[in-house]
Amino acid sequence: QSALTQPASVSGSPGQSITISCTGTSGDVGTYNLVSWYQQHPGKAPKLMIYEGSKRPSGFSNRFSGSKSGNTASLTISGLQAEDEADYYCCSYAGSGTWVFGGGTKLTVL
Amino acid sequence: QVQLVQSGAEVKEPGASVKVSCKASGYTFSSHSLHWVRQAPGQRLEWMGWINVDNTNTKYSKNFQDRVTFTRDTSATTAYMELSSLRFEDTAVYYCAREGGYGSGSYYWGYWGQGTLVTVSS
Repeated sequence: QSALTQPASVSGSPGQSITISCTGTSGDVGTYNLVSWYQQHPGKAPKLMIYEGSKRPSGFSNRFSGSKSGNTASLTISGLQAEDEADYYCCSYAGSGTWVFGGGTKLTVL
Repeated sequence: QVQLVQSGAEVKEPGASVKVSCKASGYTFSSHSLHWVRQAPGQRLEWMGWINVDNTNTKYSKNFQDRVTFTRDTSATTAYMELSSLRFEDTAVYYCAREGGYGSGSYYWGYWGQGTLVTVSS
């Protein structure tokens, strides 16, 4: 099963908004609204940021939002802050009890 | 609070096996499946599979299904991942992750272990 496609890197200045795309196929992202997004700082475990496409865990920052169109899911971070600098991974349910991750995107806050 | 605490780093020779543990606390152990995810140095996250802690059903990624075994000990509230026939490219951090955590859905992982570094070296 091929990994979902994410840009290798994105960057933005503090206060700006950025969007990270996650492109899959009709067998995963396109069929299931079950994309989750994880933030990972160096040397740390991943942290859930968005689940089921657009839901935010309770108490989490509303600067993070998720959406989907066709075979592509997106994570938008508004009001960029220095602490947002991290790697971001999308993950989709792919049917038959399997999951697939994206290649990861390194976010740099300029 | 929910916690997943994994066993310590391991160094193994090629061809050997490694068994990583994941001790759960703060919730009813048998109520949530546990998944395993690995990350080679500088590489992406890779889903390995999951175990239904209640009935021990498992699902393995095709990339690992011939070499990996998931088990659990309900009395110890601990899950295990054993990877056999280790290769140099199996050097990675291995994470356990619990399904769900927010709302009623379970197709995501709201809780993660701290990771276990497995180094394959001769």
